Amino acid sequence: KAGVTQTPRYLIKTRGQQVTLSCSPISGHRSVSWYQQTPGQGLQFLFEYFSETQRNKGNFPGRFSGRQFSNSRSEMNVSTLELGDSALYLCASSLAGIYNSPLHFGNGTRLTVT
Amino acid sequence: AQKITQTQPGMFVQEKEAVTLDCTYDTSDQSYGLFWYKQPSSGEMIFLIYQGSYDEQNATEGRYSLNFQKARKSANLVISASQLGDSAMYFCAMREEETSGSRLTFGEGTQLTVNP
Repeated sequence: KAGVTQTPRYLIKTRGQQVTLSCSPISGHRSVSWYQQTPGQGLQFLFEYFSETQRNKGNFPGRFSGRQFSNSRSEMNVSTLELGDSALYLCASSLAGIYNSPLHFGNGTRLTVT
Repeated sequence: AQKITQTQPGMFVQEKEAVTLDCTYDTSDQSYGLFWYKQPSSGEMIFLIYQGSYDEQNATEGRYSLNFQKARKSANLVISASQLGDSAMYFCAMREEETSGSRLTFGEGTQLTVNP
């Protein structure tokens, strides 16, 4: 079974630009979550989608948005990029978005904002 | 207050020896799940082991076992027979049914180094 696939692996953008990251979950998984990892803040939850609906959202500004398609694939968009948005963005999928369902992560997209 | 506390920023172990990575948690939920993940320098987050709040037996997965002490709110990861490939960052995480919904709350991680 294929794992979680994130594209692209690396991205370099300039301040003010926008970026879209893509995530394909494990087949059959309906819950997709996004996390941001930085050396200073650690791993922080961005949002979670389940059956095309945003079910949970972390404490990030509105510049961070996402969506999920009918095939459970998800995209995350960051507009008006800031230097502080440089991070590893991890996507995770789970069979069901409940407390006893493990999250399986992709390899991440490393975003650098210059 | 920190929900997940990992008090060991770095740990060293000799190859083939066992090592325990500490994790304590804080929650008022009755239903929650505890997870351990391994993150090598390449960045991917690898799921290792899961323990549910209602599970009476400690979870085991190959060389990984979880020492779950519910009353003390601790969920330590034990790695037996350490291998060089075990060198990585290890994260303890929790998912709470009511308080945090579907989100995973992570600790700050422990950097494990296995020496030959």
